Amino acid sequence: EIVLTQSPGTLSLSPGERATLFCRVTQSVSSTYLAWYQQKPGQAPRLLIYGASNRATGIPDRFSGSGSGTDFTLIISRLEPEDFAVYYCQHYGTSPPEFTFGGGTKVEIK
Amino acid sequence: QVQLQESGPGLVNPSGTLSLTCAVSGDPIDTKYWWTWVRQPPGKGLEWIGEIYLSGNTNYKPSLKSRVTMSLDKSKNQFSLKLSSVTAADTAVYYCATSTYYSLHHWGQGALVTVSS
Repeated sequence: EIVLTQSPGTLSLSPGERATLFCRVTQSVSSTYLAWYQQKPGQAPRLLIYGASNRATGIPDRFSGSGSGTDFTLIISRLEPEDFAVYYCQHYGTSPPEFTFGGGTKVEIK
Repeated sequence: QVQLQESGPGLVNPSGTLSLTCAVSGDPIDTKYWWTWVRQPPGKGLEWIGEIYLSGNTNYKPSLKSRVTMSLDKSKNQFSLKLSSVTAADTAVYYCATSTYYSLHHWGQGALVTVSS
């Protein structure tokens, strides 16, 4: 069973600062199957990054994803007020087919 | 642009069956997506429930498989979720979503379902 561990649990930063979020997977996976989401209170999640590094439609270029194997990273280069939210990483397993989510990182205003 | 809207009872009795429908607009349901359900207990993280393709093929979360049924209604352009033998642990916001490129690109707004007598 694949487990995704996100760190830190909470990130306290100021607007304009850089945010670095981590997602560690218990076994090496293809970057094709790794995605990141943003969720604001009372809203559905929104896809930010798929295939570890591809921005979804309409996502600003201050969001970038990278990584391979067991370690993946989401970077927000300069935090805007609307970026304070919870972020989840996600893996798609193929045997059997199954989506698994990390526990989330909350990015809060310092 | 695909749009999704969940609907169904907001309150279900323990041991009963939770039933939700997701209405799809902007794209016919017999298209390239896997149609997916995800849930989120209050204050907690996301949990994938399962997915269904236009062929009727399904994939379910192993721990829920014995209680989950998903179906497609092409005539109404919607898909559905049934979860049987519910308990308080099944209380959650239930989202429908589209799956492509191994990620969930479009989401409904979510429907809160509470299991309580």
